Amino acid sequence: DTGVSQDPRHKITKRGQNVTFRCDPISEHNRLYWYRQTLGQGPEFLTYFQNEAQLEKSRLLSDRFSAERPKGSFSTLEIQRTEQGDSAMYLCASSGLMNTEAFFGQGTRLTVV
Amino acid sequence: DAKTTQPNSMESNEEEPVHLPCNHSTISGTDYIHWYRQLPSQGPEYVIHGLTSNVNNRMASLAIAEDRKSSTLILHRATLRDAAVYYCILRGFTGANNLFFGTGTRLTVIP
Repeated sequence: DTGVSQDPRHKITKRGQNVTFRCDPISEHNRLYWYRQTLGQGPEFLTYFQNEAQLEKSRLLSDRFSAERPKGSFSTLEIQRTEQGDSAMYLCASSGLMNTEAFFGQGTRLTVV
Repeated sequence: DAKTTQPNSMESNEEEPVHLPCNHSTISGTDYIHWYRQLPSQGPEYVIHGLTSNVNNRMASLAIAEDRKSSTLILHRATLRDAAVYYCILRGFTGANNLFFGTGTRLTVIP
């Protein structure tokens, strides 16, 4: 499989718990993006990596959110002390340096109860 | 980031052409026009992109106005599998690398 893969596909957690999602981009892609999507809305940009460097973070990425991409390969997105408002689909995408098409994973659907 | 405006929803009959419009009056000279679509319960999928000239690929055609302030995504024969939300996005070739999605156009294909 040469696509972007995300794990888990679904996560239900209690409010206040920490969760971590993983994204494995297409292997030769340098750029990796995280987005959040709530029902009826388009995806909202959260953060962007070029290789291992986190180059941009949205204001949506509060201090409870942290993303890493060690060694410029897979990435993790952690949400600490989850709140009900964090319930959403979290999407990962990757692209090459020439900035053409981005390839998205299937997403991780988070439900905070 | 330059903004795009799209109709909230459109309908098409199956096997008929569909023209999905997008206005981007504040587009800059280096912005590419990208289209993505999102099928139910899936991540967005790249459809096509262009700068100035009209573009064709196996999925669709992109017609870009001469002043670049609007564009139209053309699906030549809509199928039920084309029912999705279609997003028109402006993306700089260098510098800002992110895709900023709006709410898109929800396309309903009627059998």
